[in-house]
Amino acid sequence: DSGVTQTPKHLITATGQRVTLRCSPRSGDLSVYWYQQSLDQGLQFLIQYYNGEERAKGNILERFSAQQFPDLHSELNLSSLELGDSALYFCASSTGQGVGPGYTFGSGTRLTVV
Amino acid sequence: QQQVKQSPQSLIVQKGGISIINCAYENTAFDYFPWYQQFPGKGPALLIAIRPDVSEKKEGRFTISFNKSAKQFSLHIMDSQPGDSATYFCAATENFGNEKLTFGTGTRLTIIP
Repeated sequence: DSGVTQTPKHLITATGQRVTLRCSPRSGDLSVYWYQQSLDQGLQFLIQYYNGEERAKGNILERFSAQQFPDLHSELNLSSLELGDSALYFCASSTGQGVGPGYTFGSGTRLTVV
Repeated sequence: QQQVKQSPQSLIVQKGGISIINCAYENTAFDYFPWYQQFPGKGPALLIAIRPDVSEKKEGRFTISFNKSAKQFSLHIMDSQPGDSATYFCAATENFGNEKLTFGTGTRLTIIP
């Protein structure tokens, strides 16, 4: 157990729908990162939050948004879903002091859009 | 734009052999190069990492070789075991002030008895 908890583990939804993925970081970690892993693109950085504030943004679609709450858990919201959004979505957490051994990934949420 | 290129896409090695996975990068601002191991149904887990001020780092059976001038780095797994069968990702980041990892596309390693 990495200490980073992601729910749900699996999600199947229809095109056009909206879903919310949840991530609880390791105890003491202030930063949360979201990555998308698809077969043809590998792992792609989406967005980072640090202590409730957005810190960095990657190639995140406008249909996607995220937030980090006062208790430091984070949610990734995906709307107007398309077939191509089917992927594994990973959350990682760290203290926010750079990438290192403490940069830890959760087990992911597998999203299937049908 | 893929900033970290990884090869091969898949690799089959006999038990006891050496597994070698290669990566090349373009961004000269990268200054931290981790390798991650991922088993099915799990998230990537840090295996070993190197900074560009050294040319080699060894941890047990795992070694990273780093060539700064060629902008290449590789993972060597000595005495490969069936339990090493997993997908391996190289990654890179501009460590200070930037915690975004740029990943290679992954190598599926299979160790056969």
